[in-house]
Amino acid sequence: DVKVTQSSRYLVKRTGEKVFLECVQDMDHENMFWYRQDPGLGLRLIYFSYDVKMKEKGDIPEGYSVSREKKERFSLILESASTNQTSMYLCASTLWGQGKSYTFGSGTRLTVV
Amino acid sequence: AQTVTQSQPEMSVQEAETVTLSCTYDTSESDYYLFWYKQPPSRQMILVIRQEAYKQQNATENRFSVNFQKAAKSFSLKISDSQLGDAAMYFCAYRYNYGGSQGNLIFGKGTKLSVKP
Repeated sequence: DVKVTQSSRYLVKRTGEKVFLECVQDMDHENMFWYRQDPGLGLRLIYFSYDVKMKEKGDIPEGYSVSREKKERFSLILESASTNQTSMYLCASTLWGQGKSYTFGSGTRLTVV
Repeated sequence: AQTVTQSQPEMSVQEAETVTLSCTYDTSESDYYLFWYKQPPSRQMILVIRQEAYKQQNATENRFSVNFQKAAKSFSLKISDSQLGDAAMYFCAYRYNYGGSQGNLIFGKGTKLSVKP
């Protein structure tokens, strides 16, 4: 069963900590995405990547960075966590091609205290 | 820029009845795809149904069907014979058939569906 795996389901971190959220997919997908999900705001795109070592900013990249050293792994980094980054984070991947659907991980609920 | 609007933040349906979730979108393109995703309390986003803009026939997947009105830019989801397991957030999404960032999925803000026993 193909899947996207997010390393943590729940995380609690302190303000100012450097936080790593990991995402791994086993489908050989070129494209990977990080979203933030908040009530009433839907899914907002933070960063995405079309290939190894490539990254592009989404709609809300401030306070975040990403790393993609291997095709299957896409990491989201909070350089200095703040309380307004408390949220649900979703990773997704997809192939190039007509109308391909995204495959999502099950999310990481991050609380910054 | 393309946008997707779900005008119903919350909906409720009685078990075994039918409910329709609304979605409208704005685009100047003609070659695109539309999706409905379901996110139950487990948080796993699941693809419910997919519609290709060039196909006039409405997509159907078991109890789930869509009413795709291309000229009106409307893409509603109908759930028949609602079940308790249908309770979830439902997201409508649009994807332009093009490479690069223009081909990224664009989501609506979601509709929370409750199913009453």
